[in-house]
Amino acid sequence: GDSVTQMEGPVTLSEEAFLTINCTYTATGYPSLFWYVQYPGEGLQLLLKATKADDKGSNKGFEATYRKETTSFHLEKGSVQVSDSAVYFCALSLKTSYDKVIFGPGTSLSVIP
Amino acid sequence: DGGITQSPKYLFRKEGQNVTLSCEQNLNHDAMYWYRQDPGQGLRLIYYSQIVNDFQKGDIAEGYSVSREKKESFPLTVTSAQKNPTAFYLCASSPGTGPRGANVLTFGAGSRLTVL
Repeated sequence: GDSVTQMEGPVTLSEEAFLTINCTYTATGYPSLFWYVQYPGEGLQLLLKATKADDKGSNKGFEATYRKETTSFHLEKGSVQVSDSAVYFCALSLKTSYDKVIFGPGTSLSVIP
Repeated sequence: DGGITQSPKYLFRKEGQNVTLSCEQNLNHDAMYWYRQDPGQGLRLIYYSQIVNDFQKGDIAEGYSVSREKKESFPLTVTSAQKNPTAFYLCASSPGTGPRGANVLTFGAGSRLTVL
């Protein structure tokens, strides 16, 4: 079935370190791909998205490229800040009769000064 | 500012009681959703509604019920039939129009339910 796999957390990095969170997916057809972020005690909010192969989504210094050949959408940031500490969810959305979204389990990131 | 309001933020329930979680949006979105979040499991879809007076079961609908009498409102009732209701509940909405699969979900801040 359709699914999203993310690297296990928690991930702990020092401020200004490079971040990569791996995400791979399994889906029929050509889904849209998303990264959502959840700060402590809050709901999720969109970080970035890509709707077709080779698209690059970017926001707040984060980037991810839709790789159809490897079915991946890895999240990267060149220099993380303490304020980036949150849980990151990779998700795919299928073109069904409704906006069906399948989420990965989430990766918790802690950035220490 | 437009957004989604969920209430209450925290709720405690005794076993055998039904509770209702409120979700209101002023984004003029057609579609609304309820998700359940458990640690390490991501989000699982409980119910969704694409239009007023219509809703469909998601992946884990057993023990839950919803209504959609107004476009702005999509309350979730957690019934006594739900065996393990302690969780974080998230309401979301999307425009419901345009190309399917490309719409972004907008989430509320969530409601944390604890069964005593």
